[in-house]
Amino acid sequence: AQKVTQAQTEISVVEKEDVTLDCVYETRDTTYYLFWYKQPPSGELVFLIRRNSFDEQNEISGRYSWNFQKSTSSFNFTITASQVVDSAVYFCALSPWGTNAGKSTFGDGTTLTVKP
Amino acid sequence: KAGVTQTPRYLIKTRGQQVTLSCSPISGHRSVSWYQQTPGQGLQFLFEYFSETQRNKGNFPGRFSGRQFSNSRSEMNVSTLELGDSALYLCASSLVALGGGELFFGEGSRLTVL
Repeated sequence: AQKVTQAQTEISVVEKEDVTLDCVYETRDTTYYLFWYKQPPSGELVFLIRRNSFDEQNEISGRYSWNFQKSTSSFNFTITASQVVDSAVYFCALSPWGTNAGKSTFGDGTTLTVKP
Repeated sequence: KAGVTQTPRYLIKTRGQQVTLSCSPISGHRSVSWYQQTPGQGLQFLFEYFSETQRNKGNFPGRFSGRQFSNSRSEMNVSTLELGDSALYLCASSLVALGGGELFFGEGSRLTVL
């Protein structure tokens, strides 16, 4: 069984602060994918980043960066210099490889509020 | 490029009724999955269809069913509605058949059961 835990229910920061969203996952699969999605107040979930289980290289894309550590089963997401428009609910998700790929498991989400 | 379209956007039903929700995926996407989103339970996986076949199923009672048509459009049905079925139902489509593809979500159908 797969499980995704986002321990932070709500985070509040002031604009321009850096913020890290934590994600811990459980899976017995050796091949899998991890994702972060953003759900703004308008409601539509939008894909942000993806990582496969064989690629632990951490990357930076604009103000976004992520830290994937297989040894601790963590896939943390950082927003640098946060902006008010970053206010949203962020979901971490885990998807297996193969015919079960369509069965994604989501964390409960972290509500980020960025205050001006 | 048109996104994932879900209809209706809002609906109100009473207990015991049934409801059918529709989802049109992005053109070319053959995988369509459905999720139930509630404040207390987050996003819960309902089922996934690929090439008109249910490929994966979540832990929901048999009152929840779905199907996919040859054009990849999908419908989900909930029979004998209960108050607890009130939720936002999200449809997502994906291009990649065996994994790694991100999900493209629709805006959802918000169901209220009275």
